This record gives sequence, structure tokens and C-alpha cells, in this order.
Amino acid sequence: GAGVSQSPSNKVTEKGKDVELRCDPISGHTALYWYRQSLGQGLEFLIYFQGNSAPDKSGLPSDRFSAERTGGSVSTLTIQRTQQEDSAVYLCASSLGGQGRNEQFFGPGTRLTVL
Amino acid sequence: AQSVAQPEDQVNVAEGNPLTVKCTYSVSGNPYLFWYVQYPNRGLQFLLKYITGDNLVKGSYGFEAEFNKSQTSFHLKKPSALVSDSALYFCAVREGEWGFQKLVFGTGTRLLVSP
Repeated sequence: GAGVSQSPSNKVTEKGKDVELRCDPISGHTALYWYRQSLGQGLEFLIYFQGNSAPDKSGLPSDRFSAERTGGSVSTLTIQRTQQEDSAVYLCASSLGGQGRNEQFFGPGTRLTVL
Repeated sequence: AQSVAQPEDQVNVAEGNPLTVKCTYSVSGNPYLFWYVQYPNRGLQFLLKYITGDNLVKGSYGFEAEFNKSQTSFHLKKPSALVSDSALYFCAVREGEWGFQKLVFGTGTRLLVSP
């Protein structure tokens, strides 16, 4: 069965470079989420999509972070001019749309290391 | 804002003994509460949720959780621990208005089950 997939699984980049992280949600899930997991900050919400629109971007830490979702499916999280503090595991999740009753299914994450 | 607290960084239990991982919540309105487990180098896996109804919720892998409104708690339990249950456990609460489904996570509790 197809779960949430993310690519790449690992990304090492140099400070100042841009990176793109990809998420493929479970087919039929209209809601998609990005979270970040780091040692110092725990699990932080970044952004939420319902369909292709993002009603909640409140967790994006700076304007260097952006995300889009196309066709109600694949999402890309872009980090421009990466900084060392961006190093973390970026987790994507998806769920059936609705009223918050539905559990979120998580992908394996992308481990980003900024040198 | 909604929040959850996991007061224990680590819980140690011997295999075969009952285990409890604690979570308390602070919410306005009705809480939607979740437990997730994270194995090393893996994404989060859904265990169980409380939305409404019975206070005792049963979930995956023999886990259950008891919703206690008077104590604002949602502790995770299992009658007999397995070594394979050793992992990082997160309690979470839904935050946001209807249709906004982001999860706010606790800091996590590491469960170590010794043989």
C-alpha cells in the first residue's frame, strides 16, 4: 500500500544554497502538512495545505521558506539561502480533509544537513 | 493556544510489566488528542486518537489511552510491555479552527523496555 513518500531521504548542502524537498501524499488525501523535527525545537508545524491552497502558513520560520502544492497532490518545500539552523528532519504528513478528526499519516522524512 | 505536556523525558520498564506514558493537555473547547510513535530513523506512526465517546481508546499494537477530563490527562498505556515497544512517543493535540488541522506535539517521551 502506498504511504506518504518523501524525497530525498537525505540532503547535505552548503550554507547559502537553495534546497527543494518533495512530498507525495497518500492518494485521496486532501490535506497535507509539513513539520520540522530538530533536537532543540522538537516537532514544529510549518504549513498546512487543503487542496492546493495554504490557509495556515503560520509556522514558516522566515521568508526563506516557501511551499507549494499542485494538482492537489505533490508538495514541494523550498528553503532558499540555507542556514545551519535549518538543519533538521523535515516531515510531511497527509490526511483526509475534514474537521480535524482524521489522523495524519507521516512520511519517513528528509534529513537536511547544512554545512 | 492548545498545548500538551509530557512530563517524563524517559520511561524505563521491564518486559512483561505494564507501561504508562503520561500526557496532560490544555485546550479550549473539545480536545482532539492523538498518540504517535517514532522508531529510530523512521517517521511518526499513528497509534490512537480521542475525539469523542468512550474515555478508554484502544489503538494499534495493544496500546490504549484513557481520556480523563477532570485531570486533563490522556495517558498512554499497555498491559504488558515488549522490548520492541522501545521508541519515542509523542502526544499531540489538534489546534486551530474548524478545518485547520495542525497538530501541536509534546516534547516526546523515550520508552526503554529492558529484557
